[in-house]
Amino acid sequence: DIQMTQSPASLSASLGETVTIECRASEDIYNGLAWYQQKPGKSPQLLIYNANSLHTGVPSRFSGSGSGTQYSLKINSLQSEDVASYFCQQYYNYPYTFGAGTKLELK
Amino acid sequence: QVQLQQSGAELAKPGSSVKISCKASGYTFTSYYISWIKQTTGQGLEYIGYINTGSGGTNYNEKFKGKATLTVDKSSSTAFMQLSSLTPDDSAVYYCARLDYGYNYEVMDAWGQGASVTVSS
Repeated sequence: DIQMTQSPASLSASLGETVTIECRASEDIYNGLAWYQQKPGKSPQLLIYNANSLHTGVPSRFSGSGSGTQYSLKINSLQSEDVASYFCQQYYNYPYTFGAGTKLELK
Repeated sequence: QVQLQQSGAELAKPGSSVKISCKASGYTFTSYYISWIKQTTGQGLEYIGYINTGSGGTNYNEKFKGKATLTVDKSSSTAFMQLSSLTPDDSAVYYCARLDYGYNYEVMDAWGQGASVTVSS
């Protein structure tokens, strides 16, 4: 199975700040990567797919980039509603696998 | 709007089985597969497998073969997951999710609210 390593495990940032979350795959996943947001007590929600395509309805302050084994999620101008855990997930190879998550809090 | 409504929390004894349901609405049920995902504090998110809602064909993560059985009832737009021979390690929140797939993507674009399973004697 492809291993997904996410960093950092937790992150504290101020309103209006830009934050970046990294995800590294154990092998090339050819942009077969999605990012999900999970707010406390809720189910995950799709943000980004194909590494850099914004899912319908997701605010444009979210963006994804990367290639090969290295990918990142950037949140510009952090809002209070962005407090959540974020997970990367590869779908290039089956079984799909997830990163361990990054918990984003407000400073 | 697209909705996946899951059944409620389960408390089960070791060695028993539970069956979780996932009722879809707001879209053509057989146009998308249904995935199942396990979430625990310790292991994070684990992909269990998916079911082709049209044919009933399944594709399991090897880790969950023999543990999970996925079925579907097209007449009620409902997917089911049965977990058997339960142990405390099966205690988790289980999600169903709609699997949207295309030429170069396979993503879970709508999720149920989750069903908590607690295995305890």
